[in-house]
Amino acid sequence: AQSVTQPDIHITVSEGASLELRCNYSYGATPYLFWYVQSPGQGLQLLLKYFSGDTLVQGIKGFEAEFKRSQSSFNLRKPSVHWSDAAEYFCAVGALGGNKLVFGAGTILRVKS
Amino acid sequence: GAGVSQTPSNKVTEKGKYVELRCDPISGHTALYWYRQSLGQGPEFLIYFQGTGAADDSGLPNDRFFAVRPEGSVSTLKIQRTERGDSAVYLCASSLWGGMNTEAFFGQGTRLTVV
Repeated sequence: AQSVTQPDIHITVSEGASLELRCNYSYGATPYLFWYVQSPGQGLQLLLKYFSGDTLVQGIKGFEAEFKRSQSSFNLRKPSVHWSDAAEYFCAVGALGGNKLVFGAGTILRVKS
Repeated sequence: GAGVSQTPSNKVTEKGKYVELRCDPISGHTALYWYRQSLGQGPEFLIYFQGTGAADDSGLPNDRFFAVRPEGSVSTLKIQRTERGDSAVYLCASSLWGGMNTEAFFGQGTRLTVV
């Protein structure tokens, strides 16, 4: 069975600082990996996804993530955080041929000015 | 519509009552998903429809929960004899077709509170 761990419940960064949100997954085969963002009153929005190929994937809003098979990780990064990035971020894993996502518990990002 | 629409946005019900939560997917999307998000947790899969049929209902917690999608479009999640533990945000998502290669678009959810 798949599982996802997001070790940080809350993270606070200063506006303009870099950001890294951690995600570790457990899955026996090559996973499908996703990062979603959830802003208050908004639905989950897909930031980026990894299926295969280049292990560094680019997403929307200036986010990127790197798949590291040896560490079972898929950390999300952004070089310079904006106040509008304050939200909750979810990492998720899916299986080849599957139809459901397994989500982590989320990381709440606070941005201080 | 432009996105996935869920109604109502909020629902308060008394313990033991029956509730229905509605999801209008993006037009033309054949795949529809229901997830449940409890406070402080990530979404948990409940059920997946491909067209009119429930292709995977392995996430439904018990037989009080049931979902339908009779015409392959709108879906209704039905909860009988609600319990306080059912309180959560129920999320619906749709995608053009099923599988990991097509993006699932999520609605804003229905917040269910059982008092």
